[in-house]
Amino acid sequence: GAVVSQHPSWVICKSGTSVKIECRSLDFQATTMFWYRQFPKQSLMLMATSNEGSKATYEQGVEKDKFLINHASLTLSTLTVTSAHPEDSSFYICSARDVGAQTQYFGPGTRLLVL
Amino acid sequence: QKEVEQNSGPLSVPEGAIASLNCTYSDRGSQSFFWYRQYSGKSPELIMFIYSNGDKEDGRFTAQLNKASQYVSLLIRDSQPSDSATYLCAAHTGGGNKLTFGTGTQLKVEL
Repeated sequence: GAVVSQHPSWVICKSGTSVKIECRSLDFQATTMFWYRQFPKQSLMLMATSNEGSKATYEQGVEKDKFLINHASLTLSTLTVTSAHPEDSSFYICSARDVGAQTQYFGPGTRLLVL
Repeated sequence: QKEVEQNSGPLSVPEGAIASLNCTYSDRGSQSFFWYRQYSGKSPELIMFIYSNGDKEDGRFTAQLNKASQYVSLLIRDSQPSDSATYLCAAHTGGGNKLTFGTGTQLKVEL
């Protein structure tokens, strides 16, 4: 149980394009999903908290107009990196939390490389 | 001061030994704590969580929590080379809605 998937696992794109990453909870309903970013040899940094049916809460320093988050259902959240630039290249990881639970389960991550 | 602190390591232990990983946290309001394992290039996977003071055992893993000292630890018994990874400590902060992660401790189990 508690499986979270992400798609795609790898993205290479040109500077200026937008990239959408999907995060799905496969065997449970996730009222809350979280988006993290991890640069090489650094820890996970929370970008935003996504609640189903409402606007995401962004962490300080994260541009909400650049990182668009949509959580339209209890099993799906999407992160769109708009007008991506090389400095956005990173490992993006989502996690999901079951209704009433405290434990977060992570997706496998998406590696983004912006050329 | 970082909210969750870990020694970055690397911590090297011989195969079969006990590995001890430590973590301190600053938010006295934190009530629950999590240990995740992250292999290089992969996302974190949950090892175990602990809410209450004392020890919690799960197989070869034992988590220890001391809220008075704001200290969490993870013991890995009979360490195996496959345990070599980065271990992330996390605490619920901000009223319990989000996890704050430490920078992780790299563990190397040597043959």
